[in-house]
Amino acid sequence: AQKITQTQPGMFVQEKEAVTLDCTYDTSDQSYGLFWYKQPSSGEMIFLIYQGSYDEQNATEGRYSLNFQKARKSANLVISASQLGDSAMYFCAIETGFQKLVFGTGTRLLVSP
Amino acid sequence: DAGITQSPRYKITETGRQVTLMCHQTWSHSYMFWYRQDLGHGLRLIYYSAAADITDKGEVPDGYVVSRSKTENFPLTLESATRSQTSVYFCASSESGGSSYNEQFFGPGTRLTVL
Repeated sequence: AQKITQTQPGMFVQEKEAVTLDCTYDTSDQSYGLFWYKQPSSGEMIFLIYQGSYDEQNATEGRYSLNFQKARKSANLVISASQLGDSAMYFCAIETGFQKLVFGTGTRLLVSP
Repeated sequence: DAGITQSPRYKITETGRQVTLMCHQTWSHSYMFWYRQDLGHGLRLIYYSAAADITDKGEVPDGYVVSRSKTENFPLTLESATRSQTSVYFCASSESGGSSYNEQFFGPGTRLTVL
C-alpha cells in the first residue's frame, strides 16, 4: 500500500527566505504521481505542484519547486522567497490508481515578518 | 456557480441520526471523491466514484454510504452517526485522462459535529 510520511509537524521561516518541506513516500508502483496541496487557515485545499515518477525534470510552479529524488523516494517542496501568505498547512500526496490520493499528515508552516 | 460546492457547510447532529452531506460539481468531471480530515491523520479517502453509478470504497468506508446517479452529484450519507465521525469532510473531483496528470479540485468542506 502507498504511504506518505511528513516528519515535520511545524516549520518556521522568515519572510523572503526559502524553506523546504519534507515528504517521503512508499510505493511498489513503477508509475505514480506526487502532489502538494496547501491548506490556509480558511480551510480550502489548493493544488500547488505535481511530479510524475517518469518526469526527468524537477517540477516548478512559480515560487514552488519540487526536489524529486526517486532513489530516495523523497519529494520535498521548496518554497522560495517566502511570503506571509504562505503560512498554512502543506500536504504531500501520492496517487494510487483511479486518481485516488493518499495524503501525509501535513506540515504547518509559519512565516514571520 | 461554477466549481464544486458542498452543503451544508456546518452541521451538528446527534448520535444515531442519519446525515447526508451533499456535493455538486459543474465541470462534468468523471471522478469524485469524499475525504475526511482529522487532526493527526491528514485527509483520508472514504469513497470514490469513477463515473455515474460506479462507486468504490476508500481507506475508511465503514459507517458511510454513497450514491452517484448523476455525474454532477455525489452525496455522502452517514446512516447512523457516531461521535467518531465528527470531522471535516471534503468532496473533490477530477477529470478522466486527457493530460499527464489530473489534479483534484476540492470543495470548501463540511464541518460535522456529532454529539
